[in-house]
Amino acid sequence: AQTVTQSQPEMSVQEAETVTLSCTYDTSESDYYLFWYKQPPSRQMILVIRQEAYKQQNATENRFSVNFQKAAKSFSLKISDSQLGDAAMYFCASDMNTGFQKLVFGTGTRLLVSP
Amino acid sequence: DTGVSQNPRHKITKRGQNVTFRCDPISEHNRLYWYRQTLGQGPEFLTYFQNEAQLEKSRLLSDRFSAERPKGSFSTLEIQRTEQGDSAMYLCASSRRETRENTEAFFGQGTRLTVV
Repeated sequence: AQTVTQSQPEMSVQEAETVTLSCTYDTSESDYYLFWYKQPPSRQMILVIRQEAYKQQNATENRFSVNFQKAAKSFSLKISDSQLGDAAMYFCASDMNTGFQKLVFGTGTRLLVSP
Repeated sequence: DTGVSQNPRHKITKRGQNVTFRCDPISEHNRLYWYRQTLGQGPEFLTYFQNEAQLEKSRLLSDRFSAERPKGSFSTLEIQRTEQGDSAMYLCASSRRETRENTEAFFGQGTRLTVV
């Protein structure tokens, strides 16, 4: 069975600083997708960044980037120049290329951003 | 289109009652998913529709749960004889038929169910 582990229940960062959220996963598949989703309080979950396992290059979306270590099954999210609006729950998720979005989520990391 | 819409946003029900939730996906999305999220946990997959066909169901979806998607548009999730353990946020998501470059599910705000 697929598993996704987020070992940091909560992280804190100051505005303009950089923070890294950790995620590890377990799979026997060779082709899969990994995601980071953001869930603000009382609002819908939105996709932050996506990584395809067959791509060597780490994905980047503006201030968000990932460090994808396939052999170590590690997929961390780096948020640069943190903003107050980044405060939310962040979920790491995997999709083992089932042909549809059957996502397996971690337990989440709550990110606190202070002025 | 304003995204995936779920109704109601909140539902409080007495144990043993039946409840039904509705999800309206993004209009051009033919794929629809239901997830359940309990406090302190990430969402867990419940079921998946492609158009009107329910193609996969999780073992989490007991016999008391039924989901439908008539005509491949909106979907309903019904829970019969609710139990306190059913208390959770029920999330709906939708996506288009995927290509390798397009794998994204869009989520609704969820329906929070409280069984008392």
